[in-house]
Amino acid sequence: EPEVTQTPSHQVTQMGQEVILRCVPISNHLYFYWYRQILGQKVEFLVSFYNNEISEKSEIFDDQFSVERPDGSNFTLKIRSTKLEDSAMYFCASRWGTGGGYEQYFGPGTRLTVT
Amino acid sequence: QKEVEQNSGPLSVPEGAIASLNCTYSDRVSQSFFWYRQYSGKSPELIMSIYSNGDKEDGRFTAQLNKASQYVSLLIRDSQPSDSATYLCAVFYGNNRLAFGKGNQVVVIP
Repeated sequence: EPEVTQTPSHQVTQMGQEVILRCVPISNHLYFYWYRQILGQKVEFLVSFYNNEISEKSEIFDDQFSVERPDGSNFTLKIRSTKLEDSAMYFCASRWGTGGGYEQYFGPGTRLTVT
Repeated sequence: QKEVEQNSGPLSVPEGAIASLNCTYSDRVSQSFFWYRQYSGKSPELIMSIYSNGDKEDGRFTAQLNKASQYVSLLIRDSQPSDSATYLCAVFYGNNRLAFGKGNQVVVIP
């Protein structure tokens, strides 16, 4: 069964450093998302991406964040200058699109630890 | 007002019993509703989607939707120890994003 994959599974970085989190959505899915979950808190939406552009972003997704689909399979989230409060699980998700349901399928996540 | 609310505390159920979880949402326009299961340290796993008022059954899971009351529920029949997890209610908002509730922890006692 197709699944969303994410790398790395765990990333440790120092405050102020740039990180790139990578995702391979399910092939033939058209909508891509990033969510995050701070330990003990609820899953929060960051950004949605369709047709090579951002569809919607949350207040969390400020100028320090960016997303890119550099090729036909990868979808990346970049944090330019990490802060301690960026420590969280970051989940990539994808869904099929037009004509289908709205089910989103999540990857296994990347645990980001900022020290 | 929170977008999605799950207010119940941890739910302990004996093995074989029915677990009942509830969720309310704030936006009357929402049309798509989901239940995800999340094991500790893992990602959300989709277990049910529901779009129309009424019940939808899938195996031991039944989702119930009442749009007039802005209420979604999940029943887990014949609960198994492997059902012990946190169950997340999610609502599709504005055509682009899921809003999640805080989740309800379910503990199935053998």
